[in-house]
Amino acid sequence: GQNIDQPTEMTATEGAIVQINCTYQTSGFNGLFWYQQHAGEAPTFLSYNVLDGLEEKGRFSSFLSRSKGYSYLLLKELQMKDSASYLCAVRDGDYKLSFGAGTTVTVRA
Amino acid sequence: DADVTQTPRNRITKTGKRIMLECSQTKGHDRMYWYRQDPGLGLRLIYYSFDVKDINKGEISDGYSVSRQAQAKFSLSLESAIPNQTALYFCATSDFGLAGGGDVDTQYFGPGTRLTVL
Repeated sequence: GQNIDQPTEMTATEGAIVQINCTYQTSGFNGLFWYQQHAGEAPTFLSYNVLDGLEEKGRFSSFLSRSKGYSYLLLKELQMKDSASYLCAVRDGDYKLSFGAGTTVTVRA
Repeated sequence: DADVTQTPRNRITKTGKRIMLECSQTKGHDRMYWYRQDPGLGLRLIYYSFDVKDINKGEISDGYSVSRQAQAKFSLSLESAIPNQTALYFCATSDFGLAGGGDVDTQYFGPGTRLTVL
């Protein structure tokens, strides 16, 4: 099985940077995903890491260390529209995803 | 038009009723999934299907059944609904194949169905 931990809530100021950590223990690893989910809406894909290192996509970056079972999502130049839940998900060897409970990020003016 | 659609979007029903939630996709993906989401919990996998003839149980399949009628359609049934099945249900699709940017088998979600069982 999978055990995925991420903080429940984070608050940051508009224009700032926030880092959301995710730690995992898995019975097989085949990639790590980050999704964004606004309240009452569908999760939308943000990033994917399968090798160690940093993946950058505009204001969002995601980092993976497989040996440490650790990932983070970095949100830069925060905007009000970034207020949402951010879901960490690990894919196992059978290509199934297991999700963390999500981190709710609140951006304040 | 949305690539992944779910019907109904909202449903209120009573304990003991049979309910079917439907999912359709125009993405041409082979793989389809059903999840439920409860406050404070992550998305949990109910059932998944890697092609039309393939059905697999997920983490929480008890009380649910599925039907993969075609590549584009995957239905979830609650045979006898109970209150603790009140949740937000999501369908997702993915395509196992080499994709640009290395996003292999990324799952894309439908808009969700909010189900309330009284």
